[in-house]
Amino acid sequence: EAGVAQSPRYKIIEKRQSVAFWCNPISGHATLYWYQQILGQGPKLLIQFQNNGVVDDSQLPKDRFSAERLKGVDSTLKIQPAKLEDSAVYLCASSLISGGGYSNEQYFGPGTRLTVT
Amino acid sequence: AQKVTQAQTEISVVEKEDVTLDCVYETRDTTYYLFWYKQPPSGELVFLIRRNSFDEQNEISGRYSWNFQKSTSSFNFTITASQVVDSAVYFCALSEADSGTYKYIFGTGTRLKVLA
Repeated sequence: EAGVAQSPRYKIIEKRQSVAFWCNPISGHATLYWYQQILGQGPKLLIQFQNNGVVDDSQLPKDRFSAERLKGVDSTLKIQPAKLEDSAVYLCASSLISGGGYSNEQYFGPGTRLTVT
Repeated sequence: AQKVTQAQTEISVVEKEDVTLDCVYETRDTTYYLFWYKQPPSGELVFLIRRNSFDEQNEISGRYSWNFQKSTSSFNFTITASQVVDSAVYFCALSEADSGTYKYIFGTGTRLKVLA
């Protein structure tokens, strides 16, 4: 079974530039998550999709971050414009489902390491 | 409020020693899930175990064991006879229901160094 795919693996941009990350979840997984992991910290949830609907984006800085999940499968996360403090690893994860009284484990991709200079 | 505390920032042990990683959680719900994930130096988080709030039975999987105690809101993880390959950052996570779906929160992680 193929795992969660992410690209690019690394990205270096200057502040005020824009950047986009792509994620392809495990086939059949309804729930998709984007996390930001700053060095030395735990993953922080940015946005959670159930199929193609957003169920939680309370910690997404909406003035600069946006995300979409096309047809309930692939997802993109965009930052525009980037700030120095956005330097982090951006992790995508998926799970079978999250709801209906059940919470599945998440499967993570390798992440995209973003450096903003 | 939902919260996960991993008070141990870093632990170093010598190979073959046993080590316990602590996890304390806070939740307002009676139905919730607890997880442990491993993040090796390669960076990809790997799922280790899931427990729901109604199942306090301890679990053993090879050299790994988990102790879930609702009375102390703890879900501790023990590695027996540690090996160098166990060196990683370990995260405890809590998932509780919120408006029909489950919201995840991760602890800050414990870095385990196993020395040869």
